[in-house]
Amino acid sequence: LAKTTQPISMDSYEGQEVNITCSHNNIATNDYITWYQQFPSQGPRFIIQGYKTKVTNEVASLFIPADRKSSTLSLPRVSLSDTAVYYCLVGDLSASKIIFGSGTRLSIRP
Amino acid sequence: NAGVTQTPKFRVLKTGQSMTLLCAQDMNHEYMYWYRQDPGMGLRLIHYSVGEGTTAKGEVPDGYNVSRLKKQNFLLGLESAAPSQTSVYFCASSRDREGNQPQHFGDGTRLSIL
Repeated sequence: LAKTTQPISMDSYEGQEVNITCSHNNIATNDYITWYQQFPSQGPRFIIQGYKTKVTNEVASLFIPADRKSSTLSLPRVSLSDTAVYYCLVGDLSASKIIFGSGTRLSIRP
Repeated sequence: NAGVTQTPKFRVLKTGQSMTLLCAQDMNHEYMYWYRQDPGMGLRLIHYSVGEGTTAKGEVPDGYNVSRLKKQNFLLGLESAAPSQTSVYFCASSRDREGNQPQHFGDGTRLSIL
């Protein structure tokens, strides 16, 4: 089972680039890596998903090295509204477990 | 678009009471999931379904039952509520398993067991 490890919290300032790294040493060959964002009193919201190398969409980039044992979510030019908890997820529904982990609490300051 | 809708949003129960949480999705998704989230923690998978008429156990299934009689609905039942089941419950759906398709979440049901 691919357990994930993330920093508990991070702080940054508006306009900065923020990189959150997730470790998943036991990732399986067929597993994808997915990142979610969660605001208080809301359900998680999908940000980005990837399998290898680099993926970019309108809100973030995801960097995955060749060994796939880690991944980095990159948020360009963050704003106050990016303050949230970010979860790295490696799915393995065939093993009846999807491990969310405790997430990274990101705080953005003016 | 409604997406994933959970009913009710809040509920307070006494120990030993029973109740059912309803999740409805309008995206024609095959997969549906029930999670619980305790304060300061990540989500833990309770049960999931890979299609109408199917259910399977997740990481923390004890004390809960589920049913998927219709593709768009996934019900979570507590037969005899216990204080340890006080939590926020999230429902989610996806077109395929997590590795291929991301999950869409509802806004949760806050359940307190006294």
